[in-house]
Amino acid sequence: DAGVTQSPTHLIKTRGQQVTLRCSPKSGHDTVSWYQQALGQGPQFIFQYYEEEERQRGNFPDRFSGHQFPNYSSELNVNALLLGDSALYLCASSPSGRGYNEQFFGPGTRLTVL
Amino acid sequence: GNSVTQMEGPVTLSEEAFLTINCTYTATGYPSLFWYVQYPGEGLQLLLKATKADDKGSNKGFEATYRKETTSFHLEKGSVQVSDSAVYFCALIRGGGTSYGKLTFGQGTILTVHP
Repeated sequence: DAGVTQSPTHLIKTRGQQVTLRCSPKSGHDTVSWYQQALGQGPQFIFQYYEEEERQRGNFPDRFSGHQFPNYSSELNVNALLLGDSALYLCASSPSGRGYNEQFFGPGTRLTVL
Repeated sequence: GNSVTQMEGPVTLSEEAFLTINCTYTATGYPSLFWYVQYPGEGLQLLLKATKADDKGSNKGFEATYRKETTSFHLEKGSVQVSDSAVYFCALIRGGGTSYGKLTFGQGTILTVHP
């Protein structure tokens, strides 16, 4: 059983560009959350998707948007990239949308903005 | 809002030493508490969890007890190994309301274990 997978592993972009990161949840999981982890910091919640809708959002600007597909996979899009967007982006999945269920994390996508 | 505070790091220990990493939290209601571990170049792995007061989570020799009276969830291990070297994150999640499904993390504690 494959766990949470993310692509690409690494990505280098320049300021002002747009980027799309992808996530496939663990089998049987229908809820996907995205987190941003800056170097030396704990992950910060970006948003969560359930039933193809954004259910909850953290304190991130509208430049950060997402999508969930019918197969529960998800994309994170970031427009007008800033140097400060350089971070490890983590995707986590969980079953059934219940808040207390543990979230399973993927290996992350390392985004570098030059 | 919810918050998690971890002890200042990094922590450096010799193999077989006793480990404690302090974690305190602020949250309304009854959150679930977690410890995640991150090895170099990898994502987060759940180490242990506790879902109600006085629960003890344990895994791979690590333990943590949910103390509601002190709002704490300190991580302990009796004898650390070099392979335990990693970054450890304390986190909470609270069901219902605006925090539904959202993990709130501490800043992380770097643990280095020397032979």
